[in-house]
Amino acid sequence: QKEVEQDPGPLSVPEGAIVSLNCTYSNSAFQYFMWYRQYSRKGPELLMYTYSSGNKEDGRFTAQVDKSSKYISLFIRDSQPSDSATYLCAMNRRAGKSTFGDGTTLTVKP
Amino acid sequence: DVKVTQSSRYLVKRTGEKVFLECVQDMDHENMFWYRQDPGLGLRLIYFSYDVKMKEKGDIPEGYSVSREKKERFSLILESASTNQTSMYLCASSSSGGGRGETQYFGPGTRLLVL
Repeated sequence: QKEVEQDPGPLSVPEGAIVSLNCTYSNSAFQYFMWYRQYSRKGPELLMYTYSSGNKEDGRFTAQVDKSSKYISLFIRDSQPSDSATYLCAMNRRAGKSTFGDGTTLTVKP
Repeated sequence: DVKVTQSSRYLVKRTGEKVFLECVQDMDHENMFWYRQDPGLGLRLIYFSYDVKMKEKGDIPEGYSVSREKKERFSLILESASTNQTSMYLCASSSSGGGRGETQYFGPGTRLLVL
């Protein structure tokens, strides 16, 4: 069984929709939680970083961590066609090696 | 602006060839990583390095080796390329320090086709 499971998608939504992307994990030692965005034929880039349980907001993006349920989410409000990408969750016990989800591909249709 | 560069964006090689993929970072990061990414399989860690001349196997090291002679450079070597090594290869680096040391900075990737 994988340490990190990510909703596989693909996900297709109309422009302006609220998008929810989700990952669950089994290892309670994970302390750091990240979301990366990867455009087609590019490398992943960091989108959101959180350390503790709760919500963190950055513009249209909100990262949510629930350590008691071992569940993390990324919400995108007012989704735009430019948000079309693959989103990867990742988590660490400490600085160094990350464990990644398999990614969810999102398409936002104009 | 932080930067991780990879020597080639696209590469075509023949079965049995020795292939070198180079990665350079300019952030003075201690950690460097090599992944391959395939549809439906996500990012799989091949090798990583926590320091110069130091390496550790990741999840799928078979058929690969690495070299880290300088802090900024991490090379992935396919000793004898095979068709099942056709993939997207991604290099990444991260800091060992506090703050956001957990986050990785990725290069643009190398698409390798082995014929």
